[in-house]
Amino acid sequence: AQTVTQSQPEMSVQEAETVTLSCTYDTSESDYYLFWYKQPPSRQMILVIRQEAYKQQNATENRFSVNFQKAAKSFSLKISDSQLGDAAMYFCAYRNQAGAGSYQLTFGKGTKLSVIP
Amino acid sequence: NAGVTQTPKFRVLKTGQSMTLLCAQDMNHEYMYWYRQDPGMGLRLIHYSVGEGTTAKGEVPDGYNVSRLKKQNFLLGLESAAPSQTSVYFCASIQTPGAPDQPQHFGDGTRLSIL
Repeated sequence: AQTVTQSQPEMSVQEAETVTLSCTYDTSESDYYLFWYKQPPSRQMILVIRQEAYKQQNATENRFSVNFQKAAKSFSLKISDSQLGDAAMYFCAYRNQAGAGSYQLTFGKGTKLSVIP
Repeated sequence: NAGVTQTPKFRVLKTGQSMTLLCAQDMNHEYMYWYRQDPGMGLRLIHYSVGEGTTAKGEVPDGYNVSRLKKQNFLLGLESAAPSQTSVYFCASIQTPGAPDQPQHFGDGTRLSIL
């Protein structure tokens, strides 16, 4: 079974600064997807960014980017120019690729990010 | 465009009572999921469905039952609620396997308290 580990229960960042959230995972599969979800106090699950394991180029979405190290099974999220609205719980999630069954997500325990004005 | 809608948003039950959570999606998605989220934990899969009339167990299925009689609806039932089932429940759906890069779409969650 796959596991996802987020080793930082809480992080804080100064507004306009950069912060990196860590995620490691364990799998025996060669193709899979990795996701970062944001959960603000409203409880919504908002997709931030996704990465397919076969793509070597790191994904980028505006101020959000990832550092995907497949051999190390590491998938960190970098938030640049942090804004007050970035304060939330962030979850790293793993999903098997096509043909591997249910496409279910396996989540880490989350990192609570605070943004200091 | 409603997406994934969960009903109700909040509910308080007494131990031993039963209830059903409803998840409805209007995107014609094949796969649907029920997760629970507990403090300090990520979301954990309870049950899922890969199509109308099919269901399967996830990581934490005990104490729950599900049904998918219509493609757009996925029901989660608690036959005899226990305090350990106090949690926030999320429903999610995903497009058909032909689009493997598509993310899951989540509902807004149901906060359930069992006294």
